[in-house]
Amino acid sequence: DAKTTQPDSMESTEGETVHLPCSHATISGNEYIYWYRQVPLQGPEYVTHGLQQNTTNSMAFLAIASDRKSSTLILTHVSLRDAAVYHCILRDGGSGNKLIFGTGTLLSVKP
Amino acid sequence: GGIITQTPKFLIGQEGQKLTLKCQQNFNHDTMYWYRQDSGKGLRLIYYSITENDLQKGDLSEGYDASREKKSSFSLTVTSAQKNEMAVFLCASRTGGGSDYTFGSGTRLLVI
Repeated sequence: DAKTTQPDSMESTEGETVHLPCSHATISGNEYIYWYRQVPLQGPEYVTHGLQQNTTNSMAFLAIASDRKSSTLILTHVSLRDAAVYHCILRDGGSGNKLIFGTGTLLSVKP
Repeated sequence: GGIITQTPKFLIGQEGQKLTLKCQQNFNHDTMYWYRQDSGKGLRLIYYSITENDLQKGDLSEGYDASREKKSSFSLTVTSAQKNEMAVFLCASRTGGGSDYTFGSGTRLLVI
C-alpha cells in the first residue's frame, strides 16, 4: 500500500494562511488523496479529497502536484478551532476502498 | 442527519479477557471499518465489511474477531487482551460509491 509522509507538527497564528504539506511518492493512478482532521477525544472529521485537480470547499483548498506525488492542504484565516491533527490519507482503489493513514501533522494555533 | 455511535466510550479490561466493542450507524451505509489508533501512530485497519455478513481482514486483524449481523452494526472483539495495552478503536462507515467516510468518536481501551 502506498503511504503518506507529513511533518509531525506545525505552528501558526490566528488569521494566517497555513500550508500543510504531504508527500505520497508511490501513489497509484487510482488512489484518491483525502484529508481528515482530528481533535482530542473525537474521531477524524472529513476536510476534503481529490484525485488530480485542485479542489476547494468551505473548509480548505487542496493543491495537488501535477505528478500527484505530493499535495498541500491550504487553510486560510485560521482560528483556534482549526487546531487539530491533520491526516493526509490515500484511498485504496481496491476492495472496500480502504483509507490508508499516515501519522498526521499536529497543527497548533496561537492567539 | 445520521450518526455513528460507538459503545462503550471507555473500556478497562484485564489481561486475557475477551472484550467486545460495538458500533452502530443510521446512515444506511454499506461499508463499515474498524481502525486502531495508538499514541504517535496513524490509524491502522483491523477489519472491514462491505455488506451485512461480509468480513474482510485488514493489516492488523490478528488477535481480533469481527461480526456484521446487521447492516447498521459492526462489532469488534479483542480475543485476549494484552497487559498494559492502551489504544483507541475507531469505527467508520461509508456508502457504496460515496466519497465521505464518517467516523465515530472512539472506544478508549486500557488493559490492566
